[in-house]
Amino acid sequence: SAVISQKPSRDICQRGTSLTIQCQVDSQVTMMFWYRQQPGQSLTLIATANQGSEATYESGFVIDKFPISRPNLTFSTLTVSNMSPEDSSIYLCSVEGGVWYGYTFGSGTRLTVV
Amino acid sequence: KQEVTQIPAALSVPEGENLVLNCSFTDSAIYNLQWFRQDPGKGLTSLLLIQSSQREQTSGRLNASLDKSSGRSTLYIAASQPGDSATYLCAVEDEKGAQKLVFGQGTRLTINP
Repeated sequence: SAVISQKPSRDICQRGTSLTIQCQVDSQVTMMFWYRQQPGQSLTLIATANQGSEATYESGFVIDKFPISRPNLTFSTLTVSNMSPEDSSIYLCSVEGGVWYGYTFGSGTRLTVV
Repeated sequence: KQEVTQIPAALSVPEGENLVLNCSFTDSAIYNLQWFRQDPGKGLTSLLLIQSSQREQTSGRLNASLDKSSGRSTLYIAASQPGDSATYLCAVEDEKGAQKLVFGQGTRLTINP
């Protein structure tokens, strides 16, 4: 199955600033997925990123707040913009590893906004 | 809308016990179900994937079963060890969905030495 390198692993940011999270996959994939896990909660899909087209956002998430780039088939970034303490969460990227492997996740970015 | 529930929310058992974690989902029209492990503040590690046509999957001390018609899955852990302590998440992928996983809230498992 695919291996994902995600960075940074954690960061503490000032409110009003932005943070860009990067995910690099060791193989080419059509779609990459970005999830958020708020403290004590389960994972919620933010958006799906296809190479060469705009990302598709889930209800409650907007491009101005969470812009996504997908410049090629192995790389994607998620930016958390104009951060507030409510954005403090773990952010994870994911890819589908094939019909027999299911989904693989990055190691996560633990974001704290102060 | 698919909803996934995991029971219990937390479980603490002594080392060596066999245990069962439960997962239920409201819409039985799923494509597959996947069990993950999450250590505190970390990402997810895939444990087992069950396709909708399968009844169970095994990996080492782990066995996952799927009863699609009743909307249930169980994760059986044999001879538990302190290293098994983590949060266990189940997630389903809908047939109707566009490769979207719907997660349960997880079961926080503690194995006491």
